[in-house]
Amino acid sequence: DAMVIQNPRYQVTQFGKPVTLSCSQTLNHNVMYWYQQKSSQAPKLLFHYYDKDFNNEADTPDNFQSRRPNTSFCFLDIRSPGLGDAAMYLCATSSHWPLGNQPQHFGDGTRLSIL
Amino acid sequence: DAKTTQPNSMESNEEEPVHLPCNHSTISGTDYIHWYRQLPSQGPEYVIHGLTSNVNNRMASLAIAEDRKSSTLILHRATLRDAAVYYCISQTDKLIFGTGTRLQVFP
Repeated sequence: DAMVIQNPRYQVTQFGKPVTLSCSQTLNHNVMYWYQQKSSQAPKLLFHYYDKDFNNEADTPDNFQSRRPNTSFCFLDIRSPGLGDAAMYLCATSSHWPLGNQPQHFGDGTRLSIL
Repeated sequence: DAKTTQPNSMESNEEEPVHLPCNHSTISGTDYIHWYRQLPSQGPEYVIHGLTSNVNNRMASLAIAEDRKSSTLILHRATLRDAAVYYCISQTDKLIFGTGTRLQVFP
């Protein structure tokens, strides 16, 4: 089945040590999104790629970066993780932008812990 | 961005219908109404969406008020697997999640 895959499901890193989370999709969708979800909160959009165009949300910290080397893969880089960055990170895709009447397809997330 | 208001939590018994309300009083004419749900330890899952007319699919029904300022997600027969946080989102370009409604389903 076509899907959005996030690996690993659980990631542990040290305070201040750079970490990269990965997402791949078999849907051939043009748009890929990264969300941050802290415990008991709603997902918060960090940024999205429309094809190769990167679009940052206004309140996303500079500590968060992203790369999309090709249609299938997208990476979330946290340059210097702090304790407050411990969260579930969700990747999603959609076929086009603006979203309009299209659904988004989500992966099951990577839960990041900071020691 | 359009905002939505949902009750924090609701309860239902298994096999009973569930009506999950959502207010989106500032919705614009081009904003779609999307519903997603999130089961524990999973990513959000698309449920249904609509613009003006009521919509039905295999998961649920969506009833949209005539003035589009509110909508109701209807689960016709709740199962234990329907226990989740349900998010109502009114948006055109991207999904901005509100706090959602946590649905508990009792056997």
